[in-house]
Amino acid sequence: QQPVQSPQAVILREGEDAVINCSSSKALYSVHWYRQKHGEAPVFLMILLKGGEQKGHEKISASFNEKKQQSSLYLTASQLSYSGTYFCGTYYRGPNDMRFGAGTRLTVKP
Amino acid sequence: DAGITQSPRYKITETGRQVTLMCHQTWSHSYMFWYRQDLGHGLRLIYYSAAADITDKGEVPDGYVVSRSKTENFPLTLESATRSQTSVYFCASSSGGALEQFFGPGTRLTVL
Repeated sequence: QQPVQSPQAVILREGEDAVINCSSSKALYSVHWYRQKHGEAPVFLMILLKGGEQKGHEKISASFNEKKQQSSLYLTASQLSYSGTYFCGTYYRGPNDMRFGAGTRLTVKP
Repeated sequence: DAGITQSPRYKITETGRQVTLMCHQTWSHSYMFWYRQDLGHGLRLIYYSAAADITDKGEVPDGYVVSRSKTENFPLTLESATRSQTSVYFCASSSGGALEQFFGPGTRLTVL
């Protein structure tokens, strides 16, 4: 039931763009995106509901493809502060169904 | 200060001992969650609570016990710690079951 994230890791130069994908084998109600810096707690970025697209944080946006049960996180013109591990959380029917992907480690270099 | 706090931040214990991790939030959020984070597994839900005196199992509840007598507190107890329970534990709270979650700073637990 754990969603599959890809890629597992990505290295960027400042100003470059990146896309992180999150796929589920089950029908989703919503997808959460969080960022976690090393040694810190995950921090909420945004939630997407079925069919929705929301721009919630700086130059970071996301989409939700209901047919494919897939969400993508778009980071444009990346900054050094974007470095961290990005997790998607998939919500199916209830709070006990919340599942997180294994994470995508993003490194932005000067 | 407002927010969500966890204590202790670090804990080393021995196999077979009982350990309680504390979580406290000041937002009066109705939902609270306990996760464990291990390399390669991301965050896995242990238990959650929808309100005081209402708790339910998550993905990996075995070996853990929770209680919630007050809205602001959600302690997690390992009744007889095992080495496989060595992990980083995060508590989170939310105003709704499907809404954004706010995470505490985490407790790094080592079971020897």
